[in-house]
Amino acid sequence: EPEVTQTPSHQVTQMGQEVILRCVPISNHLYFYWYRQILGQKVEFLVSFYNNEISEKSEIFDDQFSVERPDGSNFTLKIRSTKLEDSAMYFCASSVLTNEKLFFGSGTQLSVL
Amino acid sequence: GENVEQHPSTLSVQEGDSAVIKCTYSDSASNYFPWYKQELGKGPQLIIDIRSNVGEKKDQRIAVTLNKTAKHFSLHITETQPEDSAVYFCAASLFNNNDMRFGAGTRLTVKP
Repeated sequence: EPEVTQTPSHQVTQMGQEVILRCVPISNHLYFYWYRQILGQKVEFLVSFYNNEISEKSEIFDDQFSVERPDGSNFTLKIRSTKLEDSAMYFCASSVLTNEKLFFGSGTQLSVL
Repeated sequence: GENVEQHPSTLSVQEGDSAVIKCTYSDSASNYFPWYKQELGKGPQLIIDIRSNVGEKKDQRIAVTLNKTAKHFSLHITETQPEDSAVYFCAASLFNNNDMRFGAGTRLTVKP
C-alpha cells in the first residue's frame, strides 16, 4: 500500500536554528499538507499546497514557516528560527482530492532546546 | 472558524462490547467529517468519512452517524477487539476548504 514517508523521525535542535522537515507524498496525489500536534493537544492545520503554491494557511503558519516542493517527489517544511513552542510532532499528509481522504505520514518529532 | 469538540477523552471497554465516540462542530457550513485512528508512533489513518448529504455510513464493524441539525456526529465501533485500541480523532471541514479542524482525540482501550 502506498504511504507518505517523513524524515527524520526525530529532530533535536537549538532555539534559533533553522530546521527542514522532509516528506515524500504518495506519487499520484496532488494536494499536500502539514499539520502539527503538540503533546497531548489537538492535531492542528498549518498549511496546504497545490500546484506549486500555498492554497491555505493557518494563523500558526507565520513568516518563520515556509514550504517548498523542490522536485517532483519531495515536500518540505522549513522553520527559519525555531522557538521552544515549535516543539511538536509534525505530520505531512497528501490527498488526491482537496481535503478529502488525507493520508498521513508517521511524523517528525521536533524538539527545540 | 470551525471548532470541533470530542468526547470522551478516554474510553475503556471490554472486548466484544461497543464503543461510541461523539463530536460536535460549530460551523454549519462544514460538510465533510472524517474519522482517524492513530496508533502509537504512527500518523493518523483514515478509517471512515461521511459527507453532509448522508446521515449514516457503515464499513464492517465501524459506522458513523451525522446529525446536521444538531451539528454532531458519532463513531460507533461494534464487537470491539484489542487491536481497536488507539487514539481516535474526529475532524470537520468545508469540502473545498483545506483547513480541516480536528477534535482533541479519544483514547480507546479495549480490554481482553
